[in-house]
Amino acid sequence: NAGVTQTPKFQVLKTGQSMTLQCAQDMNHNSMYWYRQDPGMGLRLIYYSASEGTTDKGEVPNGYNVSRLNKREFSLRLESAAPSQTSVYFCASSDDSGRFQFFGPGTRLTVL
Amino acid sequence: AQRVTQPEKLLSVFKGAPVELKCNYSYSGSPELFWYVQYSRQRLQLLLRHISRESIKGFTADLNKGETSFHLKKPFAQEEDSAMYYCALGAYNTDKLIFGTGTRLQVFP
Repeated sequence: NAGVTQTPKFQVLKTGQSMTLQCAQDMNHNSMYWYRQDPGMGLRLIYYSASEGTTDKGEVPNGYNVSRLNKREFSLRLESAAPSQTSVYFCASSDDSGRFQFFGPGTRLTVL
Repeated sequence: AQRVTQPEKLLSVFKGAPVELKCNYSYSGSPELFWYVQYSRQRLQLLLRHISRESIKGFTADLNKGETSFHLKKPFAQEEDSAMYYCALGAYNTDKLIFGTGTRLQVFP
């Protein structure tokens, strides 16, 4: 089992460009999450999905959109990237309790 | 408001010294507390949870409701303990975790 996978691992964008970060899990989890990790800010929840077909905003949703394509996949889209979105992005999945979250390896995004 | 505070950004100790990573929380109900760890070039993973009262890799953490704390302790630090540690709060009736800002532990030889 691969657990939680993310693509790409690294990405450099110019301001205004768009891109989609992909996440997939093979643990049959209902809940999936997108976080960003910034120095001194810890992990902040961007969006999450409690089940296929549902998504909800987290703490810092502005500038992002998500799609829960099916039970396995949860993508994060930046429509018009800004330098403030330079960060490391983590996807996670969890059982229904949300307590035992399994994380992907992360995507390091730089917006110039 | 639900909040997790980790007051130390960086904690540096020598091998063999005791370690205590502080975590305080703000929550009105019965909290569930967790410690997650991220070793260098590895993904974030669950270290331990208060409800199981277990010791993992020599680390323990006790929930102190009076002081609203869940400090992570280890009597003798090892170099391989060097990592980023996050305290997390699971609020009742929600499938989300609230993470603290993290503490980087450096253990010198």
